Amino acid sequence: DTEVTQTPKHLVMGMTNKKSLKCEQHMGHRAMYWYKQKAKKPPELMFVYSYEKLSINESVPSRFSPECPNSSLLNLHLHALQPEDSALYLCASSPRGRTGDEKLFFGSGTQLSVL
Amino acid sequence: SQKIEQNSEALNIQEGKTATLTCNYTNYSPAYLQWYRQDPGRGPVFLLLIRENEKEKRKERLKVTFDTTLKQSLFHITASQPADSATYLCALRPSSNDYKLSFGAGTTVTVRA
Repeated sequence: DTEVTQTPKHLVMGMTNKKSLKCEQHMGHRAMYWYKQKAKKPPELMFVYSYEKLSINESVPSRFSPECPNSSLLNLHLHALQPEDSALYLCASSPRGRTGDEKLFFGSGTQLSVL
Repeated sequence: SQKIEQNSEALNIQEGKTATLTCNYTNYSPAYLQWYRQDPGRGPVFLLLIRENEKEKRKERLKVTFDTTLKQSLFHITASQPADSATYLCALRPSSNDYKLSFGAGTTVTVRA
């Protein structure tokens, strides 16, 4: 199984809502990532978990809260988002994370719209 | 500051021709450079990785070159097909043991039948 599964595929939320994005992989990878991508822009790294510990937080606002319950699961909790947070949110995984030749396996993403 | 630049936002080519995409970087000393394909509304898919000591890497109709002196990688799609239409992203890490994989903005290739 070489898939990274993200749910939901689409999400519309108001600025006062709380929602969560979910990501799952069963490749035994120990590094998991959240990227944010706006239209016609490159993916931008938000968070990296390595061996279930937060290794990188790219100065992301606190309205985004990541969680890694176990080595297969990654969540992104959303609260009090702004319309400019509307984007494609991509989850990715890699075997260990800090080996330079590792490729990333991406999910299909969650298209988020904040009204 | 560190930059990854892909010089063409869009490339339109006739089926059967070769598409050549460019990735230039500044203030990086990467040991590896990666190329990904992204279709609309989907996540990027890994295509090829080239190491700093490799001049060229091939996979089927794809060829990548890596010139660390010029700080540039070229990505070629030979005998292009309409199914090759997608956005192609180059990516690299600041150093060999860095978690952060950064992407260029991508070049959107459209292959006309």
